[in-house]
Amino acid sequence: AQTVTQSQPEMSVQEAETVTLSCTYDTSESNYYLFWYKQPPSRQMILVIRQEAYKQQNATENRFSVNFQKAAKSFSLKISDSQLGDTAMYFCAFMTYLNNNDMRFGAGTRLTVKP
Amino acid sequence: DAMVIQNPRYQVTQFGKPVTLSCSQTLNHNVMYWYQQKSSQAPKLLFHYYDKDFNNEADTPDNFQSRRPNTSFCFLDIRSPGLGDAAMYLCATSRGGVNEAFFGQGTRLTVV
Repeated sequence: AQTVTQSQPEMSVQEAETVTLSCTYDTSESNYYLFWYKQPPSRQMILVIRQEAYKQQNATENRFSVNFQKAAKSFSLKISDSQLGDTAMYFCAFMTYLNNNDMRFGAGTRLTVKP
Repeated sequence: DAMVIQNPRYQVTQFGKPVTLSCSQTLNHNVMYWYQQKSSQAPKLLFHYYDKDFNNEADTPDNFQSRRPNTSFCFLDIRSPGLGDAAMYLCATSRGGVNEAFFGQGTRLTVV
């Protein structure tokens, strides 16, 4: 079975500081994609960043970066210079090449950025 | 702007009364998904369409059905809603393959 685990139900960070959200996953597949999605209080989920498992280089999108450790099956999200607008639920998600229309989500981490 | 649109945003239905939620997309994506999301939980995949091919998750109750009459529209039918079906229902689309999903704003279903 393929599972995604987010062990931090809630986190908070001061504005302008850096925070890291954790995600681990379990799969027997070697080819897959990992995603971080953000779901603000308005509830529309949007993609933050994605990582292809075959790439060793960690993905980066502006203030968002990942630390992808394939051997450890870990995929953490780092948010630098946190902004009030980063307050949201963050979901880690996983999709394999084999079941590439089946995206699995973790339980989410609720991040609050404090002024 | 191209997007995924869900209607209505909020739906109240009576226990046991059939209800239909709708989703439309202007992205021309092959895949359309329906997820159920209960409070503070991960979105749970109910089923998805790849074009006209319907794929049901093994643990999706028979009470939930879906229709996709064309590329743009997809419907979620709940034949006899129970109190446990109250949730946010998310529609998403994708080009297929290992591509990101684009989500609608969701429909919050309340069962009274």
